Amino acid sequence: KNEVEQSPQNLTAQEGEFITINCSYSVGISALHWLQQHPGGGIVSLFMLSSGKKKHGRLIATINIQEKHSSLHITASHPRDSAVYICAVSPGGGADGLTFGKGTHLIIQP
Amino acid sequence: DVKVTQSSRYLVKRTGEKVFLECVQDMDHENMFWYRQDPGLGLRLIYFSYDVKMKEKGDIPEGYSVSREKKERFSLILESASTNQTSMYLCASSLHPLLYTEAFFGQGTRLTVV
Repeated sequence: KNEVEQSPQNLTAQEGEFITINCSYSVGISALHWLQQHPGGGIVSLFMLSSGKKKHGRLIATINIQEKHSSLHITASHPRDSAVYICAVSPGGGADGLTFGKGTHLIIQP
Repeated sequence: DVKVTQSSRYLVKRTGEKVFLECVQDMDHENMFWYRQDPGLGLRLIYFSYDVKMKEKGDIPEGYSVSREKKERFSLILESASTNQTSMYLCASSLHPLLYTEAFFGQGTRLTVV
């Protein structure tokens, strides 16, 4: 079973700072997902990637398949970015759901 | 936009009650999932379904069952609710057996068993 580790668990930063959240996993995967969960519970998919890099607005996600590592970056952070960010991996084969990291609780202070 | 809708945001039930959590998706997705989320443990897979009337156990199926009579609807059933089933429950769907396909989540149901 894949082990997914995220770091840091908690992160508090000032508005405008560059944010990096890391995710590592133990077994080969077909894809990695970055999810965002706001207070209240709903989860939104930010990225799904299997190689390289993706960018959406101020968010950038990268993955290194050889090193089994991914990073989520937030540029020019804003208080509305405050949320829990969750890394999840799809298995290398078969339809048995995602394996999740425990999440990174991000607070951006004005 | 894909919508995954869970029937309740908040639910309070008594110990021993039979509880139904409903999830509906509107994009003809093959796969549907039920997860629970607990502090310090993250999200864990309870059951999933890759087709109508098909179901597979996830990591923590004990105390739960599921029903998928129609493609768009996936129900999670707590046969006899217990206090240790107090949790946030999240439903998700995806188009294909999760190989390179995005997962879409419902808004969550916070269940309290008293």
